[in-house]
Amino acid sequence: DTGVSQDPRHKITKRGQNVTFRCDPISEHNRLYWYRQTLGQGPEFLTYFQNEAQLEKSRLLSDRFSAERPKGSFSTLEIQRTEQGDSAMYLCASSPGTSGKHDNEQFFGPGTRLTVL
Amino acid sequence: GESVGLHLPTLSVQEGDNSIINCAYSNSASDYFIWYKQESGKGPQFIIDIRSNMDKRQGQRVTVLLNKTVKHLSLQIAATQPGDSAVYFCAETPYNQGGKLIFGQGTELSVKP
Repeated sequence: DTGVSQDPRHKITKRGQNVTFRCDPISEHNRLYWYRQTLGQGPEFLTYFQNEAQLEKSRLLSDRFSAERPKGSFSTLEIQRTEQGDSAMYLCASSPGTSGKHDNEQFFGPGTRLTVL
Repeated sequence: GESVGLHLPTLSVQEGDNSIINCAYSNSASDYFIWYKQESGKGPQFIIDIRSNMDKRQGQRVTVLLNKTVKHLSLQIAATQPGDSAVYFCAETPYNQGGKLIFGQGTELSVKP
């Protein structure tokens, strides 16, 4: 499977614990995006990377959230001191990010569903 | 503010009929629009896209129409099949913002056999 993969698919944690999610984008895709989706809503943009550089962070991304893409390939999203309001689906997407006809087309992974008890 | 919204939260159609899902957007600076399909427990799946210099684009059984005058986007699905049942989102990309997507709330399409 050469699509975007995410791990884990499901995570249940207690309030106050730290969690980390991983995203493996499509090979050679330069751009990587993180979104959060709550039930019945569309995904909301959190942050994105161009190669290893984090170029934008949404105001939704509080200081408890941190994302990295150290080698410009996979990315991790960490949430510290989780709160019940963090419960959501966390989606990762990647795109070629180069000039061209389909450089904006984003391919999504299956998501990581986080439940904070 | 910048937002993309949908007129109807649910749509029920008979198998074989055509479906039309509508979307209104508010950011006139957006230059790229995409329709995604999301099935339960899965990530959004790209259906079709359109750039702001076009008003219509056709794919296999799907057509997207863009009316920039009234900031309206629609997705037409021909001969709707049970496998088309899902939530459909429109999304916009504001110009020169790194390609981030702004999604609407979604329309749930239910296809009756």
